[in-house]
Amino acid sequence: EVKLLESGGGLVQPGGSLRLSCAASGFTFADFYMSWIRQSPGKAPEWLSFIRNKANSYTTEYNPSVKGRFTISRDDTQNVLYLQMNTLRAEDTAIYYCASDGGYSLFDYWGQGVMVTVSS
Amino acid sequence: DIVLTQAPLSVSVTPGESASISCRSSKSLLSSKGITSLYWYLQKPGKSPQLLIYRMSNLASGVPDRFSGSGSETDFTLKISKVETEDVGVYYCAQFLEFTFGSGTKLEIK
Repeated sequence: EVKLLESGGGLVQPGGSLRLSCAASGFTFADFYMSWIRQSPGKAPEWLSFIRNKANSYTTEYNPSVKGRFTISRDDTQNVLYLQMNTLRAEDTAIYYCASDGGYSLFDYWGQGVMVTVSS
Repeated sequence: DIVLTQAPLSVSVTPGESASISCRSSKSLLSSKGITSLYWYLQKPGKSPQLLIYRMSNLASGVPDRFSGSGSETDFTLKISKVETEDVGVYYCAQFLEFTFGSGTKLEIK
């Protein structure tokens, strides 16, 4: 069974930083593209970033809304996906999900999400 | 930018009846590889989104065949036949040429 478990969320002041982690299990993590998506309360999901697998040189893509502030990375030895978030703003407040490709789409499987609140 | 417009905003359905949700794209979602890059997700109350339909008309693993997807290059429909109480939630279409989601359609049971 595919499991994705996010952690690292919480309350942070504007301008601060946070690193999210996503622990994966139940599939061959190294083989698949991985993504981060966020969802503000009552809003549609917003794709943030994805990272390709080793076969595709771990290349990354970002939503322009976070490019230059957020960095996605992965550790295939530990089956963990990361999202480093810098210069956080109030509008970054949301539930952050990690998602994995499963052969159907980039977002076949989703974690339960972790809340990030940016407020003074 | 590709914009997805969903309609209606919400729909109320009697169990056993059918429901249809529309998703219109501002640009063609037919990729150079001949794939129509339109996906449907359901977010049940308090849960993460789950994949229902991929590449416009293909049922994801484990999804009941009461769900079906159809469309053209810019106009798409998700149909749910014989709606059940477990189908309650918000339905999102999504396109993977630029990775955006529609604004969602809330399905409620009468």
